[in-house]
Parts: sequence; structure tokens; C-alpha cells
Amino acid sequence: EAGVTQFPSHSVIEKGQTVTLRCDPISGHDNLYWYRRVMGKEIKFLLHFVKESKQDESGMPNNRFLAERTGGTYSTLKVQPAELEDSGVYFCASSLGQGAYYEQYFGPGTRLTVT
Amino acid sequence: AQSVAQPEDQVNVAEGNPLTVKCTYSVSGNPYLFWYVQYPNRGLQFLLKYITGDNLVKGSYGFEAEFNKSQTSFHLKKPSALVSDSALYFCAVRDGVRDYKLSFGAGTTVTVRA
Repeated sequence: EAGVTQFPSHSVIEKGQTVTLRCDPISGHDNLYWYRRVMGKEIKFLLHFVKESKQDESGMPNNRFLAERTGGTYSTLKVQPAELEDSGVYFCASSLGQGAYYEQYFGPGTRLTVT
Repeated sequence: AQSVAQPEDQVNVAEGNPLTVKCTYSVSGNPYLFWYVQYPNRGLQFLLKYITGDNLVKGSYGFEAEFNKSQTSFHLKKPSALVSDSALYFCAVRDGVRDYKLSFGAGTTVTVRA
């Protein structure tokens, strides 16, 4: 069974440019999450999808960030325009259910560097 | 609000010695506690979790963790560390209210020297 995959693994862009990160969850997992680790600090929750619906986007930093999950399959996270403080590692995770007994499986992350 | 603290940025041990990575938590409801590990250039891998039951939880790669409610701690332990255990370790908590949302600590870098 394939795990959670993320693309690209690394992205270096200039301030003001746009970047789109992609996450493919484990097949059959309705729940998809985005997290971010900035500057070696804690990993912070960004948002949660159930199928194609956003259940909780309370962790999204501001309106420069837009997440979508077309057809309830893969998800994209767009940053437009990117700022220096957006640099960090963006993790995607998926789970079969959303209760505490359901483990979240994480992808390898996308390392975003904004210069 | 839920939160996790990992008081040590780095832990250095010699191979064969015991390894402990500390974690304390704060939640409003019942704590659901997790440990994840990130090896270089890899994603976060699940090690173990405490949901309910026995306070001593055993996980992957010989790791275990002890839930201590009175001290609000969930320290990760391994009796005999290996060089291959060198990695970044994250403690995380979910509370009973929003139990899908993981709150992570800042991570502890473990270096095991041969």
C-alpha cells in the first residue's frame, strides 16, 4: 500500500511568487490534514478536510493560503503571494477516520524556502 | 487549548545506554498522546500512542513511553540506544474535544554516538 506522497520535495521561490504544494493521501482515507513546521519550531495544524469539505481551517495563517481537495482525492495548498515567513516544511497527513484511535499517516513533507 | 512541551532541544547518548526523551502536556479533556520520529529526508513515522489503559505503552523499534497523569508527562524511553535511533522526535497530543487535531512539541534531536 502506497503511503502519503507529497510533491515537490523542495521548492525555492522568491518573495511575491506563487507556489502550489500537492498531497496524495492513502487511498480510501477520507480525512486529510495539512501541518507546517516553521524555523525549527513545533509542527502546527493548518487545516482538516473530510472528503472534499473543509472541516476546520482554524490554523491557516492568513488569506494568502488556499487549500483545496478536488473530488475528495488529492489536495493542493497554494501560497500566493509568498512571504519570507512562509518558509518551512509543510506536512500532509491522512487517516481513515477522525477519532483518536485512527492514526494519522504523514508524508515526507515539502520544504519551502522563500528568498 | 492543548499543548505539548519538549524541554530538551537535543539529547546525546552513547550506544547501548538508556535513552529518554521528555514530554509534558496540557489538555482540557482526556489526553491522547503520541510519539513520532523523523529520520533524515523521511516523513514523520508513528512510534506509539496512549489512548487509555496501561500507563506503559510499547511501540515500534523497541521504544516505550510511560503516561503519568499526576505529572502530565509522557516520556519516551529505550533501554539500549542504537546509532540508528539518531533522529528528530516529536511528542503530540489530541484532546477529547477536537480529537482529530494533533498539537506537537518543538521536537528533540537525538544523537546516539558509537
